[in-house]
Amino acid sequence: DQQVKQNSPSLSVQEGRISILNCDYTNSMFDYFLWYKKYPAEGPTFLISISSIKDKNEDGRFTVFLNKSAKHLSLHIVPSQPGDSAVYFCGFLGYGKLTFGQGTILTVHP
Amino acid sequence: EAGVVQSPRYKIIEKKQPVAFWCNPISGHNTLYWYLQNLGQGPELLIRYENEEAVDDSQLPKDRFSAERLKGVDSTLKIQPAELGDSAVYLCASSSGQKHTGELFFGEGSRLTVL
Repeated sequence: DQQVKQNSPSLSVQEGRISILNCDYTNSMFDYFLWYKKYPAEGPTFLISISSIKDKNEDGRFTVFLNKSAKHLSLHIVPSQPGDSAVYFCGFLGYGKLTFGQGTILTVHP
Repeated sequence: EAGVVQSPRYKIIEKKQPVAFWCNPISGHNTLYWYLQNLGQGPELLIRYENEEAVDDSQLPKDRFSAERLKGVDSTLKIQPAELGDSAVYLCASSSGQKHTGELFFGEGSRLTVL
C-alpha cells in the first residue's frame, strides 16, 4: 500500500528553464508536505514545506504547490541551475510520521 | 553547530554476522529517527524516539533488528544476524522538540553491504 508516489524516476532540464517535480498521495490525514534534496553520498536535506491548510509556499527559486482535491504536490524550480542536480524526495507528515516518495533524479544541463 | 554524526560510513560483512551503527544527533534535539534506504527508493522509517522512548517502532523487524537510545542522546541500531537483503543505507535523523513540521536533519548515512 504505497501512500506516496513519485511517478517520474528522472527529469532532465536545461539550465535557466523551469523544473517541475510531482508527487501524488492517497492519505488525506497528512499535516505537512515537504520536499527534500539528496546529493550522492550525503543524507537528504530539507528544502521546502507547506502546511495542509495552504496551497502555495515560495522560497526564492523554489515554490511548492499543494492541490488537496487532486491529492497532488509539486515543486517548481525557476530558474534551474546545474547545482540543483540531485535526487528529490517528496515527504508527507501525518501522526508524527514522515513518509517519503521514491525520489526523482533531476539533472540540469548547462 | 555540528550536524548529525553517524558511524561507520561504510561496513562490509558476511551474512549471519552482527553489525551495529551509531548516531549522535544534533545537540538539543530530543527526537531521533532511524531510516532505511534501499537503492532507488526513498527512506523508510524504522524507529522514532522521543527522548529515550521508542514511540514508533512498528516498521522495525524485531526478530533481527534492535535499537536503543540510552540517556536520550546517542543511539545504536543493531542487526543480528545480518541477511543479504539488509544491504542498504541506514540513515539517522533528528529534530527539535518544537512543533513537528517534518523538518528533519539527516546524517550522511551508514552504507551496509552484506556478502
